[in-house]
Amino acid sequence: TQLLEQSPQFLSIQEGENLTVYCNSSSVFSSLQWYRQEPGEGPVLLVTVVTGGEVKKLKRLTFQFGDARKDSSLHITAAQPGDTGLYLCAGVAYGGATNKLIFGTGTLLAVQP
Amino acid sequence: DTGVSQNPRHKITKRGQNVTFRCDPISEHNRLYWYRQTLGQGPEFLTYFQNEAQLEKSRLLSDRFSAERPKGSFSTLEIQRTEQGDSAMYLCASSLRRDIPTSYNEQFFGPGTRLTVL
Repeated sequence: TQLLEQSPQFLSIQEGENLTVYCNSSSVFSSLQWYRQEPGEGPVLLVTVVTGGEVKKLKRLTFQFGDARKDSSLHITAAQPGDTGLYLCAGVAYGGATNKLIFGTGTLLAVQP
Repeated sequence: DTGVSQNPRHKITKRGQNVTFRCDPISEHNRLYWYRQTLGQGPEFLTYFQNEAQLEKSRLLSDRFSAERPKGSFSTLEIQRTEQGDSAMYLCASSLRRDIPTSYNEQFFGPGTRLTVL
């Protein structure tokens, strides 16, 4: 069974602080996606990483895919209240016949003004 | 709006009733997925269509659940004889098949249907 574990589960920080969310697995993924979800809404895709060691930046968000394609991280610089939400990583199994996403357990972020 | 749409957004039903949800994917997307999400958890895969063919079903999809995508466009998910344990957010996602060597899958989600079974 492929699992994606995220840490921390909960994070409450002040506006302006930096933070990192981790997504780890013992399995290899061919691609990994990060989503943000707000209460009562569906997940919104932030980024997809496909190459081991890849780093992508979206404004204040930096995403990294591990060299072995088993883990990923999301770093937010100078967090803002608008960053509040549930952050989910999700991977597509390497070599699998299916394209289903395996989701992580989620990190609930609250940024206080 | 060219995103994934789902109807209804909320459904409250009594235990034992049947419910049906609809998903309209992004128009050019040929792959459609259903997921279920319970409070405090990440979404869990239920089933997957490529065009009108249902190619995979999770063990979570008991025989009370059925999904269709008759013309390869919209999809419906029906739950028969609902149970309280079926209460969850039901999410639909779509993606476009890319014929590239590496497996690459970018799924876009709808707003979900929140089901409450009393």
